[in-house]
Amino acid sequence: EAGVVQSPRYKIIEKKQPVAFWCNPISGHNTLYWYLQNLGQGPELLIRYENEEAVDDSQLPKDRFSAERLKGVDSTLKIQPAELGDSAVYLCASSLDLVTGELFFGEGSRLTVL
Amino acid sequence: AQKITQTQPGMFVQEKEAVTLDCTYDTSDQSYGLFWYKQPSSGEMIFLIYQGSYDEQNATEGRYSLNFQKARKSANLVISASQLGDSAMYFCAMREGGSAGGTSYGKLTFGQGTILTVHP
Repeated sequence: EAGVVQSPRYKIIEKKQPVAFWCNPISGHNTLYWYLQNLGQGPELLIRYENEEAVDDSQLPKDRFSAERLKGVDSTLKIQPAELGDSAVYLCASSLDLVTGELFFGEGSRLTVL
Repeated sequence: AQKITQTQPGMFVQEKEAVTLDCTYDTSDQSYGLFWYKQPSSGEMIFLIYQGSYDEQNATEGRYSLNFQKARKSANLVISASQLGDSAMYFCAMREGGSAGGTSYGKLTFGQGTILTVHP
C-alpha cells in the first residue's frame, strides 16, 4: 500500500514569490491534514479536510495561504506571496477514522524563503 | 493553556536501558485519544502507539508502552531496551473527541517534542 505522497520535497524561493505543495493521501482515507512544522517544534495544524470539506481551517492564515481538496482526494496548499517566516516543513497526513485512527504522514515539503 | 506538555527538551539514555518520556495533557472531553510519534533526523513522522481514554489497559507495542494515568492526565512513553536507532525526536499528541461536527472533533494537537539520544 502506498503511503502519503508529497511534492516537492524541497523548495527554495525568494520572498513574495508564490509556492504550491501537493499531497496525495492513502487511498480510502477520508480525512486529510496539512501541518506546519518549524525547526525543533511540534507540528501545528493548518487545515483539516473531511472528504472535500474543510472542517477546521481556523489556523490557516487566509490572507496568504489557501488550500483545496478537489474530489476529496488530492490536496494542494498554496502560499502567495511567501514571506521569510514561512520557511518551515509542510506536512501532509491522512487518516481513515476521524477520532481513533492514527495519522499517516508524508515525508514533508521543506520550504526555504530567501 | 497548552493542550499537550512535554517538559523534557532532551533526554539521554544508555543503550539497552529503559527510558521514560513524559507527556501531560489538558482536556475537558471524556473521549479522547493519545498518540506517540517518532521523528528521526530524516523527517518522517512514524506512529508508535495509541491509547484511548476509555482503554483500561496500558497500550503496548513491542518495546514501546504507554503509562496512562488518567486522573493525573499523563501519558508517558516507556521505551525498553533502548537501541541506537531510537535516537530521534518524540512527539506526544492528543485527539479530542468533542462533539461530532464541531471544529474540535477529531483535532490532533502535538506537544513540543523531546529529543532522545541513545549512547552506546
